[in-house]
Amino acid sequence: DTGVSQDPRHKITKRGQNVTFRCDPISEHNRLYWYRQTLGQGPEFLTYFQNEAQLEKSRLLSDRFSAERPKGSFSTLEIQRTEQGDSAMYLCASSLDWGAGANVLTFGAGSRLTVL
Amino acid sequence: GQQLNQSPQSMFIQEGEDVSMNCTSSSIFNTWLWYKQDPGEGPVLLIALYKAGELTSNGRLTAQFGITRKDSFLNISASIPSDVGIYFCAGQGTTDSWGKFQFGAGTQVVVTP
Repeated sequence: DTGVSQDPRHKITKRGQNVTFRCDPISEHNRLYWYRQTLGQGPEFLTYFQNEAQLEKSRLLSDRFSAERPKGSFSTLEIQRTEQGDSAMYLCASSLDWGAGANVLTFGAGSRLTVL
Repeated sequence: GQQLNQSPQSMFIQEGEDVSMNCTSSSIFNTWLWYKQDPGEGPVLLIALYKAGELTSNGRLTAQFGITRKDSFLNISASIPSDVGIYFCAGQGTTDSWGKFQFGAGTQVVVTP
């Protein structure tokens, strides 16, 4: 297993454009999480999936943000009409939903978004 | 925003010295995790703590789950150059969903030869 994969690693876009990030979790993990990290801060929870169901969304996830996990495997995070304040590292993580590993997050390398 | 207080914000130490950092919260936590993050990469798990008073080691790293359940500590003994990075604590509150963690702002560690 190659761990949690995220693509693209870097994205530079102009304000107002739409962007989409993809996350491929560890194959046996059925929970998938999105976190956002701004410069000098720790990650902040955005949303999580149990298989294909999106079970919780943070208030940080405005209407311009949408996350999907259609087949319970990979997930996408789309940001519409990007704003400069969206510039951040978007981190994906996955975990089991049972046993000792259920509450341990394995993070990907992140997708860094810069909005000009 | 951040709900954990992590300190110190940064540390400049000499190779071979020990490092200590801690996180405190006004809320009770069920789980504490400690991560290390290198520039441009995602956080990598170092230690997971699940019970109050628990003391767990991973090589030269030792972490403790505070007895009040509102704090946690990480120690690095005999630091080496590859210990450079940002260390984050993460806590899960009693009403938080599994996998939903609050992170500290990080402690940046710089090791000089």
